This record gives sequence, structure tokens and C-alpha cells, in this order.
Amino acid sequence: AQSVTQLDSHVSVSEGTPVLLRCNYSSSYSPSLFWYVQHPNKGLQLLLKYTSAATLVKGINGFEAEFKKSETSFHLTKPSAHMSDAAEYFCVVSEGAAGNKLTFGGGTRVLVKP
Amino acid sequence: ETGVTQSPTHLIKTRGQQVTLRCSSQSGHNTVSWYQQALGQGPQFIFQYYREEENGRGNFPPRFSGLQFPNYSSELNVNALELDDSALYLCASSSWWASDTQYFGPGTRLTVL
Repeated sequence: AQSVTQLDSHVSVSEGTPVLLRCNYSSSYSPSLFWYVQHPNKGLQLLLKYTSAATLVKGINGFEAEFKKSETSFHLTKPSAHMSDAAEYFCVVSEGAAGNKLTFGGGTRVLVKP
Repeated sequence: ETGVTQSPTHLIKTRGQQVTLRCSSQSGHNTVSWYQQALGQGPQFIFQYYREEENGRGNFPPRFSGLQFPNYSSELNVNALELDDSALYLCASSSWWASDTQYFGPGTRLTVL
């Protein structure tokens, strides 16, 4: 079985300051891990994906995430927040490339203050 | 490249009715997955279709059913609607060899009164 826990339901940052969204996962397999972003009344956009090639994964819009197997974590960071980063972020796990089912965390809502 | 499209955008139904939601997959993708996202929650996996057959199902009752067509588009059907079925229904497409890398459509907002 697989599961995802996002440790913060809400994060508030000032524009231009770093963003950190925390995620812990549990999986019986070598998982694939993802971060998706959802802007209000929109679908989900894939930010980045971890397979097994590199522990530091770079995504779109300046986001990156680090896979730490020993801590079963996959935290998302961005050095400098922009107003357009205000959205809901989901950490997601699947059971590898052949997995069909994505398991989502509960989401972290990011507020960016001017 | 055409992304994932869904129709309709919004839908209002009453309890006991039936609904059909539609999804066109991204070009080059042959696998379609459906998710239900209740307000304030993360999406929940309903099922996945590949080669017109169901390939995995989440914890949803049989009144949730689907179809996939030869052009890889898909339908989600829900019978005997309940109030708790009110949610955003998301369709995602992927290629079979990387079925975990899924690209989502904008969703259909279903309200059951």
C-alpha cells in the first residue's frame, strides 16, 4: 500500500522569499513521486517527477524537489516566491512506471503576500 | 499537441439521476484514468482504462463505470447519483509504458442536489 502525508495544510510566504512544502511518503515498491499544482478552478499541472535517476529533481517555474529515501521525504522548494505561485500543491506517489493509480496527499495551499 | 479535454465543464443533477462525463486524451496517449476530487481534498483514483478495458479500480462502488473507445477517448458514467457524488471529476491521460506520468484535463464540476 502507498500513502502520502503533506505536513502543512497552509503555507504563507512573502513574495521573493523561499517556499518549502513538506511531503512524506510510504510505499511498498520503489515509488515514482510527483508534485502537481492546481490553480483555483483549474485542473492539475505536473510540476516535476522523480523516478530514480537523480535525487534532486528540477521542475517547471523554478521549483525543485529532493528525494531522501532514509527520511521517506520528497520536499518541494523554490528559492523566490512569485505572486503567481499562489495555488494548491499536491504531493503524489505511484508504484513505479507501471503503476496506474496515483495516490495524492491532502494538499498544501500556498498564499503569497506582496 | 492537443492536451486533455473534458466535457461538460459544469453539470447539475438531482439525486437518483444518471450522468455521463467525457474525456479526450492527449495526442499520443492510449491510457485514461479518472479521479474524483471532493471540495478541499486531494483527488481519489476511480479507475483506469487501457485498450478499452478497465485496468485497476479504486474504492468506488459499481455504480461508477466507464468506457474507453478505439480513439482512446473515455466516458465516466455514474448511476443513482448521491449528494456525496458532488465533486470535481478529473480525467488524466498517459502512455502505457509510463502510465504513472499522467496529464490532467480541467475537470468537470458535478453538483448533485
